[in-house]
Amino acid sequence: NAGVTQTPKFRVLKTGQSMTLLCAQDMNHEYMYWYRQDPGMGLRLIHYSVGEGTTAKGEVPDGYNVSRLKKQNFLLGLESAAPSQTSVYFCASSYWTSGGAGEQFFGPGTRLTVL
Amino acid sequence: GIQVEQSPPDLILQEGANSTLRCNFSDSVNNLQWFHQNPWGQLINLFYIPSGTKQNGRLSATTVATERYSLLYISSSQTTDSGVYFCAGGNYGGATNKLIFGTGTLLAVQP
Repeated sequence: NAGVTQTPKFRVLKTGQSMTLLCAQDMNHEYMYWYRQDPGMGLRLIHYSVGEGTTAKGEVPDGYNVSRLKKQNFLLGLESAAPSQTSVYFCASSYWTSGGAGEQFFGPGTRLTVL
Repeated sequence: GIQVEQSPPDLILQEGANSTLRCNFSDSVNNLQWFHQNPWGQLINLFYIPSGTKQNGRLSATTVATERYSLLYISSSQTTDSGVYFCAGGNYGGATNKLIFGTGTLLAVQP
């Protein structure tokens, strides 16, 4: 049981390049999330998904797109990277409860630098 | 949207000391969680505690939902407790299944 995994762990991009971050979970969780973490700002939600084939915007969605074609995978895309997107990106997943989503479990993070 | 305020922003303890971290919410939440981020960046879920009290070893948490705050207690602190503690809350149900995070409490436990 690997939990939540993220690929890649590190990446350096040049301004204008594109890339996709992959998140995978093997816990059969319904909900998945993408966050970014910047110094002094905690974690901010970029996009999230409440089930396969669904996505929704979080607090800071601009410049990012997501897809959830399979229940176990959640992809985060940067179409044209900007230096402001330099950050550490975390993926998380949580299970369904009758009252909504349960505990969130995090992946190890992806450190992205945009030059 | 919900605002989450954590205090203190940073804390230095001697090994063996006890501490209390606080989290205040601007609006009512029906989901509240505490996380620990270790010095290597890994985020670990400590408690899922929308109300009441839970204990896990030397850590315990209490949420008073009607007064919009939660407390995390660390007893007999150890150097491995160092890192950043985040609380996060949200109103789950329907389509709004997301958490808002506070900016964290940075804890350093000295030997």
